[in-house]
Amino acid sequence: AQKVTQAQTEISVVEKEDVTLDCVYETRDTTYYLFWYKQPPSGELVFLIRRNSFDEQNEISGRYSWNFQKSTSSFNFTITASQVVDSAVYFCALSEALKLVFGKGTKLTVNP
Amino acid sequence: DVKVTQSSRYLVKRTGEKVFLECVQDMDHENMFWYRQDPGLGLRLIYFSYDVKMKEKGDIPEGYSVSREKKERFSLILESASTNQTSMYLCASSLGLAGGPYNEQFFGPGTRLTVL
Repeated sequence: AQKVTQAQTEISVVEKEDVTLDCVYETRDTTYYLFWYKQPPSGELVFLIRRNSFDEQNEISGRYSWNFQKSTSSFNFTITASQVVDSAVYFCALSEALKLVFGKGTKLTVNP
Repeated sequence: DVKVTQSSRYLVKRTGEKVFLECVQDMDHENMFWYRQDPGLGLRLIYFSYDVKMKEKGDIPEGYSVSREKKERFSLILESASTNQTSMYLCASSLGLAGGPYNEQFFGPGTRLTVL
């Protein structure tokens, strides 16, 4: 069965620091999708990015960047120059047949 | 923008009560999902539906049932609420299924249910 591991339960940084959230996955599928979601204190999960297994190109969106490496089964998320508004729980997810499998999440606290 | 709404943000019920959690999406999505979120356990899938009147069990369906009579609405039912069902319940919808395109799920704001 698919599995997603987010080994970092909680991370605390000071504003303007760079921070990387790790995601390691296990799958036997050759075609799959990986996702990142953000859950701010308000509670609603917000979709950030989707990557398919055939596209290993790194992606950058403003201060956010994602590094997908099939060789290490990792899909890490970096926030550059973190801000207080980045404080949230971040979830990595992997497609499995009809559904998504989520990691347990990493709680990021950015202190002013 | 996809809009997923849930009937209540907070709900308090008593043990043994029948509880209905309602979810509505306005983007004509085929697929809808119910999760519960608990500290340290992440999101766990309860049930999902890939078409009207169709349903599939997720990872933790025990104690729950679902209903999807219309495409836009997916209800989660706790037949006889118990204290261990106190949790945050999240509804989501997607256009495509997880294995294909358009598979990103869009979530509602969640319902925090307390069973006393």
